[in-house]
Amino acid sequence: KNEVEQSPQNLTAQEGEFITINCSYSVGISALHWLQQHPGGGIVSLFMLSSGKKKHGRLIATINIQEKHSSLHITASHPRDSAVYICAVSSGNQFYFGTGTSLTVIP
Amino acid sequence: KAGVTQTPRYLIKTRGQQVTLSCSPISGHRSVSWYQQTPGQGLQFLFEYFSETQRNKGNFPGRFSGRQFSNSRSEMNVSTLELGDSALYLCASSPDGPGGYGYTFGSGTRLTVV
Repeated sequence: KNEVEQSPQNLTAQEGEFITINCSYSVGISALHWLQQHPGGGIVSLFMLSSGKKKHGRLIATINIQEKHSSLHITASHPRDSAVYICAVSSGNQFYFGTGTSLTVIP
Repeated sequence: KAGVTQTPRYLIKTRGQQVTLSCSPISGHRSVSWYQQTPGQGLQFLFEYFSETQRNKGNFPGRFSGRQFSNSRSEMNVSTLELGDSALYLCASSPDGPGGYGYTFGSGTRLTVV
């Protein structure tokens, strides 16, 4: 049983498309994180959310605490957005990860 | 400011050996957490140290251990290496705890066990 489920696993989009990645979790959380991992391993923390919505450039993250669900949206996608996007939740002092969504944006 | 520094970047070890990985957190960060990433299991939480104390531990065998020094630098040790320990080992630091404000990952150490 996975505490964090992500969908889709793989996503291919044309440049300029609007992209949505979904994350559902089953544990009580103090925060939810969206991470971006580029080929080569480096991980960047994109957002930390405990409620509502956050926006950074073309990226938008939302969370619904009652439904235990979060979405990451990318507007006007670009090939440089190609990466693996990972949803993670903080629960107590534990940290649970989704399996990631591999996004490829084609020019 | 300097980011989270992990050394070495790459490591090849033989089954049965032991290995020590190092993580230097961002200055002022007291929490260091360690993760294992494999193609099959994805990212998994190993343990977290805060002010030299292990605060929490994931579901890994006792062969995996760590420590944190007074300057917040942390080391992770794996003894009696197995082929399945081949993975990317990542550490992350933050002021307060995993996922807290300022949570920052290092680039990782890629361990290959042959």
